[in-house]
Amino acid sequence: ETGVTQTPRHLVMGMTNKKSLKCEQHLGHNAMYWYKQSAKKPLELMFVYNFKEQTENNSVPSRFSPECPNSSHLFLHLHTLQPEDSALYLCASSQLAEQETQYFGPGTRLLVL
Amino acid sequence: GQNIDQPTEMTATEGAIVQINCTYQTSGFNGLFWYQQHAGEAPTFLSYNVLDGLEEKGRFSSFLSRSKGYSYLLLKELQMKDSASYLCAVRLHSGNTPLVFGKGTRLSVIA
Repeated sequence: ETGVTQTPRHLVMGMTNKKSLKCEQHLGHNAMYWYKQSAKKPLELMFVYNFKEQTENNSVPSRFSPECPNSSHLFLHLHTLQPEDSALYLCASSQLAEQETQYFGPGTRLLVL
Repeated sequence: GQNIDQPTEMTATEGAIVQINCTYQTSGFNGLFWYQQHAGEAPTFLSYNVLDGLEEKGRFSSFLSRSKGYSYLLLKELQMKDSASYLCAVRLHSGNTPLVFGKGTRLSVIA
């Protein structure tokens, strides 16, 4: 248990569906991240939020829409996804300070049909 | 682009020692992390190196040579529960910047 929770743990959706992934951190951190982990590929950064402000969007398609209402919660809204978007989506959090470690949630395993 | 290389898979025997190497060629460097990830679980932090040398933490040690762009993770007295993927990640810049990850090394520990 790392102090970062994600729901749902598994999700199957059609290409026309709209769904949201939720991440919550109980560590008092002020930075949160979304990563994508596909088979045989490195973890890829998607979005970064510092103090609820988005500071990085790593060329992610607009069918992925992040939302950070406060420092403890992070959402990833999904719509009209493609089968190649099937992957493990990991949330992480850290303290906004030099050399702070990122702590990861267990991830949401997404399958797009 | 950023390049972080690790072997894809390794196998080692219970009780033995294994060394997992990581080489990197990145536009910047402000520290290297090792994470362990069991199948279906979150990556968990193992170690952090920012200066050259060896950092020891129980059965796990991590080494860094910045001039060579090289790190390794050393696992001693291997246990079956050490079977997992080991991810090498580089922080490119100072401050709170995201990590760039390698593809990970899947380690299988056999009896």
